[in-house]
Amino acid sequence: DSGVTQTPKHLITATGQRVTLRCSPRSGDLSVYWYQQSLDQGLQFLIQYYNGEERAKGNILERFSAQQFPDLHSELNLSSLELGDSALYFCASSVLVDSPYGYTFGSGTRLTVV
Amino acid sequence: AQKITQTQPGMFVQEKEAVTLDCTYDTSDQSYGLFWYKQPSSGEMIFLIYQGSYDEQNATEGRYSLNFQKARKSANLVISASQLGDSAMYFCAMREGRDDKIIFGKGTRLHILP
Repeated sequence: DSGVTQTPKHLITATGQRVTLRCSPRSGDLSVYWYQQSLDQGLQFLIQYYNGEERAKGNILERFSAQQFPDLHSELNLSSLELGDSALYFCASSVLVDSPYGYTFGSGTRLTVV
Repeated sequence: AQKITQTQPGMFVQEKEAVTLDCTYDTSDQSYGLFWYKQPSSGEMIFLIYQGSYDEQNATEGRYSLNFQKARKSANLVISASQLGDSAMYFCAMREGRDDKIIFGKGTRLHILP
């Protein structure tokens, strides 16, 4: 167990629907990062939150949004889902900006859009 | 432009042999960090090794070492005495300057043959 908890582990939903992915960072970590990993693709950075505020944004679609709550857990909201949104979504957390250990990753949420 | 390039989509290596996974990077920052992560078939992301741009010695962690050639912007991962359990996807990644997010390459799928 890495200490980063992602729920649910698997999600199957229909096109056009909206889903919420949840992440609880490792205890003491203030930063949360979201990544998308599509089939045979590397990890694409979506967005980062630090202590409740958005800190960096990657190639995140307008249909996607995220937030980090006062208890530091984060949610990634995906709406108007398309088949191409099927992917493994990772949450990661870190305590330091310049940690030599990078991030601690959760086990991911596998989203299948049918 | 690609920040992280991994030119080997897949590799097959005999068990107990050493393996070198290639990674080149592109940055104009003087301060940056380089990472390698392993992703087994189970899907989780496992941190392997870190190299800071100012580190004079190559990083080592057990059977993993990072062959850092700064002038060539190369950060190859070397796995000594490969084992069947090393079969996985391997990602090279970089964090630039004061930027907090880590950018990943597309990965190399390593197959260890018995």
